[in-house]
Amino acid sequence: DAGVIQSPRHEVTEMGQEVTLRCKPISGHDYLFWYRQTMMRGLELLIYFNNNVPIDDSGMPEDRFSAKMPNASFSTLKIQPSEPRDSAVYFCASSERGNEQYFGPGTRLTVT
Amino acid sequence: EDQVTQSPEALRLQEGESSSLNCSYTVSGLRGLFWYRQDPGKGPEFLFTLYSAGEEKEKERLKATLTKKESFLHITAPKPEDSATYLCAAHAGGTSYGKLTFGQGTILTVHP
Repeated sequence: DAGVIQSPRHEVTEMGQEVTLRCKPISGHDYLFWYRQTMMRGLELLIYFNNNVPIDDSGMPEDRFSAKMPNASFSTLKIQPSEPRDSAVYFCASSERGNEQYFGPGTRLTVT
Repeated sequence: EDQVTQSPEALRLQEGESSSLNCSYTVSGLRGLFWYRQDPGKGPEFLFTLYSAGEEKEKERLKATLTKKESFLHITAPKPEDSATYLCAAHAGGTSYGKLTFGQGTILTVHP
């Protein structure tokens, strides 16, 4: 299996612009997670899905963030409008039946 | 609230100098304790899952153990390539089934 695939790997954008991050989970996995990692706050869970349904979005920082999972093989995390404080590495992970999670390579987002 | 605390924050070892990393957890109804390794610029890589107190798992120079309150990652005769950040995470189950609570990580540096 190719593992969890994320795109883009790097994104540089200006404050106020819309940013869309994409994730393809491992085939057959029924859980999908979006995390944000910074030096100050470590690894934070933003939202997770089970069978394409959002289960817990309590980690989403504010209404500027939204996530969708239209089918079992694709998810997006959107930030609109983006702000400099959103700069971080965003990881997508997937798991089977809630067991160990496998992480993608991450998207490094820089908002200037 | 579920909590995971790792210590020390950073550990510097000489090659061949064995040591242990600690992960203390406060989770109601632990369903699994996970260890991950993260290299700079990459996503966390799954190492071990431990499910019950007394359980041990080994992989090369690493051995993970679990008690009712904490987990240890023992590193025997480490090499420079073992340098990385090691993360532990707890799975509480219940209404949070599938969700992992991560510690802040221990940055391990092994000098030749």
